[in-house]
Amino acid sequence: EDQVTQSPEALRLQEGESSSLNCSYTVSGLRGLFWYRQDPGKGPEFLFTLYSAGEEKEKERLKATLTKKESFLHITAPKPEDSATYLCAVQNNNNDMRFGAGTRLTVKP
Amino acid sequence: ETGVTQTPRHLVMGMTNKKSLKCEQHLGHNAMYWYKQSAKKPLELMFVYNFKEQTENNSVPSRFSPECPNSSHLFLHLHTLQPEDSALYLCASSQEGRGQPQHFGDGTRLSIL
Repeated sequence: EDQVTQSPEALRLQEGESSSLNCSYTVSGLRGLFWYRQDPGKGPEFLFTLYSAGEEKEKERLKATLTKKESFLHITAPKPEDSATYLCAVQNNNNDMRFGAGTRLTVKP
Repeated sequence: ETGVTQTPRHLVMGMTNKKSLKCEQHLGHNAMYWYKQSAKKPLELMFVYNFKEQTENNSVPSRFSPECPNSSHLFLHLHTLQPEDSALYLCASSQEGRGQPQHFGDGTRLSIL
């Protein structure tokens, strides 16, 4: 069965303190790994899709990387507005999507 | 209007009531989904519709009944719910196919009294 494990469950950073979120996965035929951002009271907002090991995507202070077993979301010099829950999901050969429980990020000014 | 729109945003109902959640997507996608999100748990997929046909039902209790009249609209009919059904219900849409991301609405926060 496909599995997605995100760590840590919660992360508190000072503004400007760079860090990484981890998404470990097992999947029967990876068709895509997705990162989402979710703010309180809102639905998940799509950030990135990664398709194969070695691929990287960037958007502002965020950079997502992918290996055969895990993905990292690197946050460089975060700001308070980066505070949110970050969700990782994998899609398998049957186009089924499985989500992790998320990492709740808090960036303090 | 763009994206995925869900109504109502909040719903409080008794266990004997009947209500419906509505979802509309303006993205031209051909697949739509219902998810349940409970605190500190991963999103749970409930139903999938591809081209208006239901292709997945993840052992969801019959008190939840989906309806997809066309590729832009999705409903979730609720009746005789239980307190453990209180959660955020999210609708999503995507273009069916390899590696296509799902795009979500802002959900309906459901509370069962």
